Amino acid sequence: DAEITQSPRHKITETGRQVTLACHQTWNHNNMFWYRQDLGHGLRLIHYSYGVQDTNKGEVSDGYSVSRSNTEDLPLTLESAASSQTSVYFCASSESGTGIVYFGPGTRLTVL
Amino acid sequence: AQSVTQLGSHVSVSEGALVLLRCNYSSSVPPYLFWYVQYPNQGLQLLLKYTTGATLVKGINGFEAEFKKSETSFHLTKPSAHMSDAAEYFCAVSDGDNFNKFYFGSGTKLNVKP
Repeated sequence: DAEITQSPRHKITETGRQVTLACHQTWNHNNMFWYRQDLGHGLRLIHYSYGVQDTNKGEVSDGYSVSRSNTEDLPLTLESAASSQTSVYFCASSESGTGIVYFGPGTRLTVL
Repeated sequence: AQSVTQLGSHVSVSEGALVLLRCNYSSSVPPYLFWYVQYPNQGLQLLLKYTTGATLVKGINGFEAEFKKSETSFHLTKPSAHMSDAAEYFCAVSDGDNFNKFYFGSGTKLNVKP
């Protein structure tokens, strides 16, 4: 079955360190997204991509970057982790035109 | 850009009672409206989706949602709550100009009392 996997599922890091969260999907979807989930804020879009070499900023992109070198992967990098980036991060993908988004299981990141 | 408002961050109902979770979106009808459910420590799963056509949309697990254009609402209902319905529910809409971009509400946690 097609799926989206995220790794690691849990990560603890220190302020100032660079962190990369992996996302891999086997749906063969063109569209991929990164969201963060915080209490009281729901899901907020960090970055998204509509295809290889395409990346776009979402509403909370400061301090994050992504790259899309193939269809399956969209890694999210925190350039210099800050305590405000402690959150649960969800990767998602969708097929163009269907409007249905499929979510990964999430990565819980703690920045100390 | 679209915005999504979910009224009530926490809703508590008794088992067997009606479930009503409210969702309003900003003006201009978006192409797609959704409800997603999130069980503890899991990602979001699609409950139901509205595109165009019938205003009453049926989803999984007995949930349904009614699209009301005049009220810019897409409320989620279930006639009889079950303990297994306890979860967090998110309303989502697609961007009016780009229906491959989505906006989510802040979520409503549903508690079901025995």
